[in-house]
This record gives sequence, C-alpha cells and structure tokens, in this order.
Amino acid sequence: ETGVTQSPTHLIKTRGQQVTLRCSSQSGHNTVSWYQQALGQGPQFIFQYYREEENGRGNFPPRFSGLQFPNYSSELNVNALELDDSALYLCASSLETDNNSPLHFGNGTRLTVT
Amino acid sequence: AQSVTQLGSHVSVSEGALVLLRCNYSSSVPPYLFWYVQYPNQGLQLLLKYTSAATLVKGINGFEAEFKKSETSFHLTKPSAHMSDAAEYFCAVSEYGGSQGNLIFGKGTKLSVKP
Repeated sequence: ETGVTQSPTHLIKTRGQQVTLRCSSQSGHNTVSWYQQALGQGPQFIFQYYREEENGRGNFPPRFSGLQFPNYSSELNVNALELDDSALYLCASSLETDNNSPLHFGNGTRLTVT
Repeated sequence: AQSVTQLGSHVSVSEGALVLLRCNYSSSVPPYLFWYVQYPNQGLQLLLKYTSAATLVKGINGFEAEFKKSETSFHLTKPSAHMSDAAEYFCAVSEYGGSQGNLIFGKGTKLSVKP
C-alpha cells in the first residue's frame, strides 16, 4: 500500500510569487485535505477535495486554491505569496465512504517565503 | 464553534514514568476527538480517536485517552514512557464522524523523555 506522498519537500519563494504544491493520495483513497502548519502551531484546515470539487474550506483567502485530478491526486496553489505563508503544508487523504477511515498524512512541504 | 486547548506546550518526563498530556475541548455538538503524534520532519500519525462508542479509548503504542464530558477533557496517558515517545502531540476535534471534514487542532505539546 502506497502512502501519501508530497512534492517538493522544501521550497523557497519570494514574496509576490506563486507556488504549486503536489500530493499523491494513498492507494484507494478518494478524498484529499490540505492543512497549513505554521512554526510552533497546530495544523489549520485549508480545504478538502472530493470527486474533483472543493468540499469544505477553512478560513483562508481565495488566493489559496486547489485541484483534484481523476486519479485523486491534488494540487495546492497559492498566489501572491506573503511572508506569513511560510509554513509546513500537509496533505492528508482518506476514503469518503468509510466513516472510520482515518486521515493519512504525508510528510509535508516546507515553504519559505522571503 | 469548536476549539481545542492543550495545556503545556512542553512536557518532560523520565523514561518509565507516567505520561499525561492534557486536552480540553469546546464544542456545541457531540464531538469527535483525536490525538495525533508528529515526529520531526514527518506528517501526523493517528494515535487514537473517540467517536462516542466508549469513553476510554485505547490507541497505538500503549497510549489511551479518557473522554470526560463533565470536564470537557480528553487527556492522553501512557503508563510508562519510552525514549521513542519523544515527539509532538496534537489533540483535535471535529463535528464529523470518522476523520472527514475539518479537524481543529490544538497548538501541540512537545514531549521530551529523559533517560
């Protein structure tokens, strides 16, 4: 069973630039959630995708957007990067139809905005 | 609105000692509660979850947690700490069953284990 994989592992961007982070869900999982974890904080829910559509969103501005593809992999896009966007971005997959299916997290992408 | 408060950002115990990590929650609906562990440079791993089936929940690696509605608490315990337990622990709450939807995490408690 292949786990959740995220790429890249580390990324440095300049304020104002755009970034795309990628996530491959665990085999058999059809739902992907994205979380932002700032240094010293707990993860914060950004949004969730199911059947290629956004299925819930946290308190993040529209410059945070996402996609889910037919193979259930996902992208997180952030436009007009700000210094406060520096964080660990975690992707988690699960099986929507199984209420007992836990979230399986990837190891994250560490984004630094300078 | 739901929220989680973890008391103590850093807890230090000796190997073999009791581990107690505190979590209090706020929820206007019956909550689903979770404990996750995060090792350095890794994602989060589910330790255990409460979904109203039983108030005492047993998880992996010898951890357990007790749901106390009257105290709005869900503290994590382990009778005897091991060096490999050193990590950061997060308590989370959700109004949805299983692990679907928005998980609201606490700020985390970093556990250190002294030899």
